[in-house]
Amino acid sequence: NAGVTQTPKFQVLKTGQSMTLQCAQDMNHNSMYWYRQDPGMGLRLIYYSASEGTTDKGEVPNGYNVSRLNKREFSLRLESAAPSQTSVYFCAITTSGLKGPYEQYFGPGTRLTVT
Amino acid sequence: QKEVEQDPGPLSVPEGAIVSLNCTYSNSAFQYFMWYRQYSRKGPELLMYTYSSGNKEDGRFTAQVDKSSKYISLFIRDSQPSDSATYLCANVAWKGGSEKLVFGKGTKLTVNP
Repeated sequence: NAGVTQTPKFQVLKTGQSMTLQCAQDMNHNSMYWYRQDPGMGLRLIYYSASEGTTDKGEVPNGYNVSRLNKREFSLRLESAAPSQTSVYFCAITTSGLKGPYEQYFGPGTRLTVT
Repeated sequence: QKEVEQDPGPLSVPEGAIVSLNCTYSNSAFQYFMWYRQYSRKGPELLMYTYSSGNKEDGRFTAQVDKSSKYISLFIRDSQPSDSATYLCANVAWKGGSEKLVFGKGTKLTVNP
């Protein structure tokens, strides 16, 4: 998954704790996305950013905040973690290349467990 | 109704079998149709995309779109154990002035040697 990096790879939180998931891209693309993936639920969009300085809600934004720090970085923050936020979180960018005009290129994911 | 519906499976086939993976969609405005492949503990990666109706072939993979019935399919010929993964269909939707992908829930495929 070169091009999109995520930190951390794994995290265990207690209910009520806060944390920030970091995403960075070196592909110089405008659009960045945060998804969560749960068994049987597929990929669900949490927030996205069409360009630096703009962010918008996706399908499941409750309990999350985001920050598009600059063109490279898009962070996802859990202010008060809940067990329902146990999931795998993916950051993605949209590219236009040989594989298609709207290819989303995903990071390796962050596995978060909230106890 | 969810915009993209996909049978989650799981689907288990012997090596060499022809695999058919299917999705239906509800938004007739969709123009781009994609298939992503996701190996265990990895992020999804784009496998193929098609634009509008028809077939598109890439090696052992064929993507097919039938816009009249809002049905998209991925066929894998001569399936290999290395094809074992979760396959997600996706469409592009434009909301709020930017493109977003709408994913199906994914079908887990296992190809047994």
